[in-house]
Amino acid sequence: AQKITQTQPGMFVQEKEAVTLDCTYDTSDPSYGLFWYKQPSSGEMIFLIYQGSYDQQNATEGRYSLNFQKARKSANLVISASQLGDSAMYFCAMREVQGWGQNFVFGPGTRLSVLP
Amino acid sequence: DGGITQSPKYLFRKEGQNVTLSCEQNLNHDAMYWYRQDPGQGLRLIYYSQIVNDFQKGDIAEGYSVSREKKESFPLTVTSAQKNPTAFYLCASRIRQSPNEKLFFGSGTQLSVL
Repeated sequence: AQKITQTQPGMFVQEKEAVTLDCTYDTSDPSYGLFWYKQPSSGEMIFLIYQGSYDQQNATEGRYSLNFQKARKSANLVISASQLGDSAMYFCAMREVQGWGQNFVFGPGTRLSVLP
Repeated sequence: DGGITQSPKYLFRKEGQNVTLSCEQNLNHDAMYWYRQDPGQGLRLIYYSQIVNDFQKGDIAEGYSVSREKKESFPLTVTSAQKNPTAFYLCASRIRQSPNEKLFFGSGTQLSVL
């Protein structure tokens, strides 16, 4: 079963506008972490933001914020004031504890294109 | 500067050949990971190592092997048993036992079949 779902294969946004990238997750573990990564065309994975399952407040990092709705198991990424350099693939990931350690499960990604 | 170095950036494999992808980190991280990424898809775990001389199979370990003889190094061998090896391979590391610590990634190796 898919543990991380990103329902938007591609998104377009006008420069300087805000955009929300959706992510829903599935876990029975009470302790987990949610991460968002950006992958430009160069292929490197760039960490954007983290939300812990016990965190009371939504995480923010500069222009990035995470809209965490625990009961709905969603962790949407909000990018404010989009820039041309934000065009990239965006991956939602969940850290889960397994018998041998901690694994990171990734969603299929959303390709964001910022239009001038 | 601390980081993860993957080499080579591009690699070509001939039929029946084993190839090894290098991953070196100087972050003093205990845990290291290998992921495979196919076009338009997310990352899938191949192997994971928590400490030296210990590693665990991930979701798609068949046709791959690893070693962890040094903390800094976690090479991945793509064997001839891996029938569809063309993909982008990412190595990552993190501090073990730290719940909110992110994965640090290398810049990846693109493997193609000749």
